[in-house]
Amino acid sequence: NAGVTQTPKFRVLKTGQSMTLLCAQDMNHEYMYWYRQDPGMGLRLIHYSVGEGTTAKGEVPDGYNVSRLKKQNFLLGLESAAPSQTSVYFCASSYSPAGERYYGYTFGSGTRLTVV
Amino acid sequence: SQQGEEDPQALSIQEGENATMNCSYKTSINNLQWYRQNSGRGLVHLILIRSNEREKHSGRLRVTLDTSKKSSSLLITASRAADTASYFCATALNTGGFKTIFGAGTRLFVKA
Repeated sequence: NAGVTQTPKFRVLKTGQSMTLLCAQDMNHEYMYWYRQDPGMGLRLIHYSVGEGTTAKGEVPDGYNVSRLKKQNFLLGLESAAPSQTSVYFCASSYSPAGERYYGYTFGSGTRLTVV
Repeated sequence: SQQGEEDPQALSIQEGENATMNCSYKTSINNLQWYRQNSGRGLVHLILIRSNEREKHSGRLRVTLDTSKKSSSLLITASRAADTASYFCATALNTGGFKTIFGAGTRLFVKA
C-alpha cells in the first residue's frame, strides 16, 4: 500500500519554464489537495478536488493549474514558473473533508522545487 | 495571523521528559488534527479530536481540546530522540467546504 506518491522529488526550473507535478494515491480517496510549504508559514492550500473531473481554487491558486482526469491522480501545473514559486509542494488525499468519516489527510513526501 | 497558531515555535528537551505543544485558533471548528513532519518528509497524521471531544489518547500522545478557549494541546510523554520533528496543528473549520488550515508548527528537538 503505497499511499500518496509524488513525482518528481526535486526539480530546478528556470524562470518562465513550465512543469507538471504528479500525485497518485491508491487508497480510493475522493478528495485530493495540493499545498505549498514555505518557511514559517505553515501549509497553504493551492487547489483541491472533490472527485474525478472536479477541481477548485484554494488559498493561493494564482500561477497554478490542476487537473483530476482520473480519481487516483491529481496533477499540478506551473505554466510559467517564477522565483516566488520556489517552495516545497505537498499532495494530500482524504476519504472525506470532515465529519464522522474523516480521519485526517494522507500526505505525499513532497516535491522540492527551486525556480532560478 | 493564522487560524491555527502553535506555541512554542521551538522546544528543546531531554530524552525522557514530556513535551507539550499548544495550538490556538480563532473560529469555530469541526475537528482539530495534529501532524508530525520529520525533516525533508511529508506530514504524518497523528491524532484527530472532534469538536465534541475534550481529550484523546494514542500511545504516548495525549491531546486536549478546549473549545471555550479555542485551544488544544499535544502532550508527548517520555520523549525519545526519534520524536524530534516539527508538529503541526490543523483546524477543519465548521463552515462547510474544505477549509482545513495548518499552523506554522512547533519544532521539537529531543536530546539523547
